[in-house]
Amino acid sequence: AQTVTQSQPEMSVQEAETVTLSCTYDTSESDYYLFWYKQPPSRQMILVIRQEAYKQQNATENRFSVNFQKAAKSFSLKISDSQLGDAAMYFCAYRSRGNKLVFGAGTILRVKS
Amino acid sequence: NAGVTQTPKFRVLKTGQSMTLLCAQDMNHEYMYWYRQDPGMGLRLIHYSVGEGTTAKGEVPDGYNVSRLKKQNFLLGLESAAPSQTSVYFCASSWGSLTGELFFGEGSRLTVL
Repeated sequence: AQTVTQSQPEMSVQEAETVTLSCTYDTSESDYYLFWYKQPPSRQMILVIRQEAYKQQNATENRFSVNFQKAAKSFSLKISDSQLGDAAMYFCAYRSRGNKLVFGAGTILRVKS
Repeated sequence: NAGVTQTPKFRVLKTGQSMTLLCAQDMNHEYMYWYRQDPGMGLRLIHYSVGEGTTAKGEVPDGYNVSRLKKQNFLLGLESAAPSQTSVYFCASSWGSLTGELFFGEGSRLTVL
């Protein structure tokens, strides 16, 4: 079974600084997608960024980028120029052709002003 | 834009009572999912459906039943609620592709006394 591990229960970053959230996963499949979701206090799940496993180029969405290391099964999220609105729980997730989306336990990100 | 709607948003049950959570989506998505979210454990898949009339078990299916009689609706039932089922429940839907983003409802908080 696929598993997703987020080893950082909580992270803090100063406003305008950069922070990296870690994620590792375990799979024997070669074709899959990886996602980062954000859950603010409102509880709404918001897609931040997605990465196709067969693409070597790291995905980027404005201030959010990933470092995808397929061989190491690592998928970290970098947030640049952190803003107060970035404070939330962040979940890493994995999806294969079985179409189940498997989540990590989450990382709480706190942004200090 | 309704998206994914869950009802009820909050519910308190006594041990042994039954209830049904309703999820409705208006995006014509094929796939629908029920997750539960518990502190420190992320989102865990309870059951999912890849089309009308089909259902499948996820990671934590025990104590729950589901039905997908209509494409737009996915029902989650608790026949005999237990305190261990106290959680926040999320419904999600997506297109039937590997890349498909999951769209989430706002969550339903269930407390079993």
